[in-house]
Amino acid sequence: DIVMTQSPDSLAVSLGERATINCKSSQSVLYSSNNKDYLAWYQQKPGQPPKLLIYWASSRESGVPDRFSGSGSGTDFTLTISSLQAEDVAVYYCQQYYSTPYTFGQGTKLEIK
Amino acid sequence: QVQLVESGGGVVQPGRSLRLSCAASGFTFSTYGMHWVRQAPGKGLEWVALISYDESNKYYADSVKGRFTISRDNSKNTLYLQMNSLRVEDTAIYYCAKHRDGMDDWGQGTTVTVSS
Repeated sequence: DIVMTQSPDSLAVSLGERATINCKSSQSVLYSSNNKDYLAWYQQKPGQPPKLLIYWASSRESGVPDRFSGSGSGTDFTLTISSLQAEDVAVYYCQQYYSTPYTFGQGTKLEIK
Repeated sequence: QVQLVESGGGVVQPGRSLRLSCAASGFTFSTYGMHWVRQAPGKGLEWVALISYDESNKYYADSVKGRFTISRDNSKNTLYLQMNSLRVEDTAIYYCAKHRDGMDDWGQGTTVTVSS
């Protein structure tokens, strides 16, 4: 199984500042035949289901604000929120969909400083 | 718009069975793979199972393999999860999610509590 490890476990950032969450996979999730990384990022607010933010490691889902961006390839990935807004308080998860079981990271709790 | 509505959750004793349903609308259900994902109280997300659009392929987490069965009825636009031999550790919110470059749409979830 591919193990997904996020860092940090929690993060406090001031409004308007940059937030960065890292995700590392135990093996590459880059599929060589199409050069795509099978990595997604989700946002989950309290009492709500997760919401897809980023897929293919860096493609933003329709309707997601452009302050959210994803980067990285192979085994190391980053979710960046360029200017933190109050509504971004949530838990963020990375997930690989390269192979089953489709494992998630443990989550990163993002709060306002 | 896409709607996924789970049902069938409840309180059940260890060793008993439960069947969850997920009613889909707003998209062509028969052309998408579907997932079940669960979240234990205060914990992170755990992928449970995936079924292909035509039911030809099914995949399970090791934690549920042999006890849970994912299925679908494309004529009813409904996804199912048959859960047998339930354990206390199966207590969670169970979400269904549509497969598209990850999981692009999720239901609100149904709560399963396994307790004696």
